[in-house]
Amino acid sequence: QKEVEQNSGPLSVPEGAIASLNCTYSDRVSQSFFWYRQYSGKSPELIMSIYSNGDKEDGRFTAQLNKASQYVSLLIRDSQPSDSATYLCALDTMDTGRRALTFGSGTRLQVQP
Amino acid sequence: GAVVSQHPSRVICKSGTSVKIECRSLDFQATTMFWYRQFPKQSLMLMATSNEGSKATYEQGVEKDKFLINHASLTLSTLTVTSAHPEDSSFYICSAVPVPGQGTDTQYFGPGTRLTVL
Repeated sequence: QKEVEQNSGPLSVPEGAIASLNCTYSDRVSQSFFWYRQYSGKSPELIMSIYSNGDKEDGRFTAQLNKASQYVSLLIRDSQPSDSATYLCALDTMDTGRRALTFGSGTRLQVQP
Repeated sequence: GAVVSQHPSRVICKSGTSVKIECRSLDFQATTMFWYRQFPKQSLMLMATSNEGSKATYEQGVEKDKFLINHASLTLSTLTVTSAHPEDSSFYICSAVPVPGQGTDTQYFGPGTRLTVL
């Protein structure tokens, strides 16, 4: 059973601060990792994807992957109230040629104005 | 680009009735689409993998006779919840992966369908 663990939160940060979201996983063969943002009542939207160890930056977002330690994190710089949402970590199982994603339960982020 | 639509966005039905949910990839073709279910304050759980022209693959614990999936074309998959009961009330979300050459190798999610069974 592949598991993806996230702290449910809520993680509360003041506007302009850095929000740090963490995710650990148990399956060593997972190859692709994703961060999705989900607003209440809406479907997930892709924020970042990362495939190799190290950092990947895109605007205010930085994803960090450490396969040896089996964790992936998302940093949000200059947090805005509009960033308040649930952030889902997901990994690609790559089972039998499928691309099914396994999701964590999500971390709820609250950015205080 | 890479837009996935779902219809209806919200449906309320009586217990015992069947409900069909459509998932369409609007600007790309997808040989594989996925159906997820999300209960309140929980994560997305994969229900089944829908493959164009073949039978769907269901996850353990998902009744294939209750959740009928038809992937009739490269742009349309349907999920029919048969004899729905209140415990089937949930947020149903589909996703699609473009065929090689039509987009990035990423799942694109539909907006979801909120099903409420009375």
